[in-house]
Amino acid sequence: DADVTQTPRNRITKTGKRIMLECSQTKGHDRMYWYRQDPGLGLRLIYYSFDVKDINKGEISDGYSVSRQAQAKFSLSLESAIPNQTALYFCATSDSKTYPTYEQYFGPGTRLTVT
Amino acid sequence: SQKIEQNSEALNIQEGKTATLTCNYTNYSPAYLQWYRQDPGRGPVFLLLIRENEKEKRKERLKVTFDTTLKQSLFHITASQPADSATYLCALCPLSGGGNKLTFGTGTQLKVEL
Repeated sequence: DADVTQTPRNRITKTGKRIMLECSQTKGHDRMYWYRQDPGLGLRLIYYSFDVKDINKGEISDGYSVSRQAQAKFSLSLESAIPNQTALYFCATSDSKTYPTYEQYFGPGTRLTVT
Repeated sequence: SQKIEQNSEALNIQEGKTATLTCNYTNYSPAYLQWYRQDPGRGPVFLLLIRENEKEKRKERLKVTFDTTLKQSLFHITASQPADSATYLCALCPLSGGGNKLTFGTGTQLKVEL
């Protein structure tokens, strides 16, 4: 079984719709992250969370919100999807006990298309 | 502004040769640098980490160097195999931020041919 899972794996939606992407992990890690990946731009950090009560904005948080429902679950929402949010979205986790390196473990990704 | 550059052109090499990938950065003082492998349609996988005070790190057929004067890391795969074909990403972590705010390069695609 995968340690970091993401649902859905693929999603096509229309402009203006609200979308939620979900991430679950069984690694027991306390830190979780959401990234988006676009061709030529690489991975960019949207939000990250140190624990359930600690959520922080990343490089490109505008238009996104997150919820950390439990240590193992971290959801990303697009309140009103727009076409330039079409991208590949990755969830990742890391363990604060690996200080100071915090290597990250990624999920399989969600391909989101906004038409 | 901070910038991380990896060769956007694919690197094609023959099986058995050594592949060398480059990661250059500007306006950045990383505490350490990580390398990840990404296969098509999959999430990146952590490979190696090197700290700013380390010159070289090895793991099996992989070797990473880190030159903070040149602001460059080199990633080597010796005795390359077709299974090594993938995109390789470098990621930098600043002195502050505790590893939570990795900045990734765009990656270099490696193709190992028979």
